[in-house]
Amino acid sequence: QSVPTQPPSASGTPGQRVSISCSGSSSNIGGNAVNWYQQLPGTAPKLLIYTDNHRPSGVPDRFSGSRSGTSASLAISGLQSEDEGDYYCVAWDDSLRGRVFGTGTRVTVL
Amino acid sequence: QVQLQESGPGLVKPSGTLSLTCAVSGDSISGANWWSWVRQSPGKGLEWIGEISRGGGSIYNPSLRSRVTMSVDTSKNQLSLKLNSVTAADTAVYYCAGSFRYAFDIWGQGTMVTVSS
Repeated sequence: QSVPTQPPSASGTPGQRVSISCSGSSSNIGGNAVNWYQQLPGTAPKLLIYTDNHRPSGVPDRFSGSRSGTSASLAISGLQSEDEGDYYCVAWDDSLRGRVFGTGTRVTVL
Repeated sequence: QVQLQESGPGLVKPSGTLSLTCAVSGDSISGANWWSWVRQSPGKGLEWIGEISRGGGSIYNPSLRSRVTMSVDTSKNQLSLKLNSVTAADTAVYYCAGSFRYAFDIWGQGTMVTVSS
């Protein structure tokens, strides 16, 4: 089992573009769709991206996702102060027969 | 709009059983394709505990499988989580999450459970 790995932190100034990677394995990201969740300080996670690159209703188009091979990525363009928080990827793992969350990335707006 | 509310004891003794419920309002619990529990230890990331499908089948995290039981009570429109033989490592915020259209698209606010004597 390979838990998807994310960089512990990412940062940018307002208006900049920030990208977060999620590196997994053939048993999870390599063969299954990825969702992304945003967790603002003191709150529950919120669905941000589903099935690799789709946004639920209400999520700004500043957020975009992609998946290639055994990695996925989340991009935030036009970074805003309210984007500060933790971001997690998650995918089904065929070996684990369960879901695996990425290690999480804390985004800071400088 | 669907809302989830977790509840249960905030303090559980070591070796005891952690029991939580998640009340669903705004829709039938049968409206979700599956229900999950996720936990977050203080200052740590999210950990998938397991999930139970609309049909009643359940899948648990292998690391917790021997200690976990999830169930759905359609008459009360709520789901439950039981985790036995708890230790301090089980101290965490526990979230219930429903998957109606997409995986984990609705979350409860979470409930903190501390394992301590």
